[in-house]
Amino acid sequence: GAGVSQSPRYKVAKRGQDVALRCDPISGHVSLFWYQQALGQGPEFLTYFQNEAQLDKSGLPSDRFFAERPEGSVSTLKIQRTQQEDSAVYLCASSLDSAGNEQFFGPGTRLTVL
Amino acid sequence: SQQGEEDPQALSIQEGENATMNCSYKTSINNLQWYRQNSGRGLVHLILIRSNEREKHSGRLRVTLDTSKKSSSLLITASRAADTASYFCATDQRSYIPTFGRGTSLIVHP
Repeated sequence: GAGVSQSPRYKVAKRGQDVALRCDPISGHVSLFWYQQALGQGPEFLTYFQNEAQLDKSGLPSDRFFAERPEGSVSTLKIQRTQQEDSAVYLCASSLDSAGNEQFFGPGTRLTVL
Repeated sequence: SQQGEEDPQALSIQEGENATMNCSYKTSINNLQWYRQNSGRGLVHLILIRSNEREKHSGRLRVTLDTSKKSSSLLITASRAADTASYFCATDQRSYIPTFGRGTSLIVHP
């Protein structure tokens, strides 16, 4: 069976551009998380969906970051007017339950903002 | 940052040796999880241990949890070159939001 997929795997953007990162979770998984991972660090929580409802977006670093999961499956993380400090790997994870346990991670999207 | 603390930050061993990594956290938890991340890849879930458990095994992995000391350890026995990766602990200090540490980078030399 397919795991969590993310696209694109790599994205280079010029400062000020908007980007959209896609996550396809495992079918039937209720929970979906977005994380930001800087080099040499652990994943930092960005936002959490339970089905289509965004229950927590406390980790989004600024109002330039926006995430949606309109039909409770595919999710998109959008970053507007990208800045150099947005450069990182963006990880998506899904889990079967609502407790956030045993998450299945995608390979990540490496975003480089020039 | 809400990350926990893992030590050592880096560990280099020979194939066949055991590798031990530690994780400390700050507040009470319901469970603690360990994940592995190979370079350039996503994280892979290894094991979950609940707060009422003291030890758990999975293949060559042994995890212990000491809630009085707010710490956990991950032991990999008879390590292999393929175990080379970063290892992260994650706690549920913030309810359903896993809080990850900075990780331990393990290198196993063949």
